[in-house]
Amino acid sequence: DVKVTQSSRYLVKRTGEKVFLECVQDMDHENMFWYRQDPGLGLRLIYFSYDVKMKEKGDIPEGYSVSREKKERFSLILESASTNQTSMYLCASSFQFRGRDQPQHFGDGTRLSIL
Amino acid sequence: AQSVTQPDIHITVSEGASLELRCNYSYGATPYLFWYVQSPGQGLQLLLKYFSGDTLVQGIKGFEAEFKRSQSSFNLRKPSVHWSDAAEYFCAVERGGSQGNLIFGKGTKLSVKP
Repeated sequence: DVKVTQSSRYLVKRTGEKVFLECVQDMDHENMFWYRQDPGLGLRLIYFSYDVKMKEKGDIPEGYSVSREKKERFSLILESASTNQTSMYLCASSFQFRGRDQPQHFGDGTRLSIL
Repeated sequence: AQSVTQPDIHITVSEGASLELRCNYSYGATPYLFWYVQSPGQGLQLLLKYFSGDTLVQGIKGFEAEFKRSQSSFNLRKPSVHWSDAAEYFCAVERGGSQGNLIFGKGTKLSVKP
């Protein structure tokens, strides 16, 4: 089974801090994604990456950046945390098979609170 | 622009009753469609997917979904609901021209009455 591991289930940080959320997958997937999930809004894509050192903006990239130095690890960075970034953050990964992208596999999420 | 609509925010059904969760999508070409389930405090688990071919797809946990192009729908069904099915359900469509990139609906929360 694919395993997508997010380093923290719960995290509490203060306004203005630089926050790192880590995600690791163990199946050599090419694609990795970061979403935030808020009640009534569903999942919204923040950033994604198709390969090492590659990144693409999603629908709501403002206030975030990402890093993918190794294929298995995709980090989400809140440059200067603000209270409106309090949310559940979900990481996902997927791979291509015969030129077709396969469904995404998700981690259990990090519930981040910014005080 | 592509979009996914789940008209029902919250549905309550009795255990043993049948279930249908609605999903409508907006996309010009043949869509790649997915249903995911999220149990409380957990990530999302894939229930089933539609890429092409047979419009009735079977998934895990006894779920199925039917793709209806004429109605732009991909409704999720289960003939007999179990208490453990209480969760939030998300429909998603792959964003056209994008590598595995999904657009999600806002979700339908399912409650199950004993």
